[in-house]
Amino acid sequence: DQQVKQNSPSLSVQEGRISILNCDYTNSMFDYFLWYKKYPAEGPTFLISISSIKDKNEDGRFTVFLNKSAKHLSLHIVPSQPGDSAVYFCAASEGTYKYIFGTGTRLKVLA
Amino acid sequence: DAGITQSPRYKITETGRQVTLMCHQTWSHSYMFWYRQDLGHGLRLIYYSAAADITDKGEVPDGYVVSRSKTENFPLTLESATRSQTSVYFCASRREIGYSYEQYFGPGTRLTVT
Repeated sequence: DQQVKQNSPSLSVQEGRISILNCDYTNSMFDYFLWYKKYPAEGPTFLISISSIKDKNEDGRFTVFLNKSAKHLSLHIVPSQPGDSAVYFCAASEGTYKYIFGTGTRLKVLA
Repeated sequence: DAGITQSPRYKITETGRQVTLMCHQTWSHSYMFWYRQDLGHGLRLIYYSAAADITDKGEVPDGYVVSRSKTENFPLTLESATRSQTSVYFCASRREIGYSYEQYFGPGTRLTVT
């Protein structure tokens, strides 16, 4: 039973446009959410996080939106750059140490 | 250099053998984690540790053993490797800044069990 779902395995976007990656979760007790980026043959790297007391968090080109009623979060990348091409994982936790990861979305930014 | 390292990076072993994957971090983070990454499953937590000598099970702990005698090291042992344990294994440690918790991952160990 997948508690955190990324329903789009892949996404292609033109350079300079917006990339929107989506994530749905089923456990209403999750209170902390994160996004990670992963390049081939490397470990995931932390991108941005959001607490359930907020609905938006911004860091440069990256913004995470949280819709608790819909149990949905999204990552917006604006503008998208070729270096953003990677696999993106969302993760959720109840409390602060047991993270549940989604299956990932492969983003390809076309030059 | 500060960071989190894993060794070996690649390992091939036979069914039934014992294998230990090493993880070392230089930040003195209290929390450390072991994940495995498989197609269709994303990253799944195997074990985590809140401090030296404190460990607990994650989602998929069966067939694995961990120890944490020192804060900086968190080895993962497969006592009798099975083909289903073929995977990429990631170690991570967690930094806490106020209410923000960021996990830093090692480069991974690709394990093949034949």
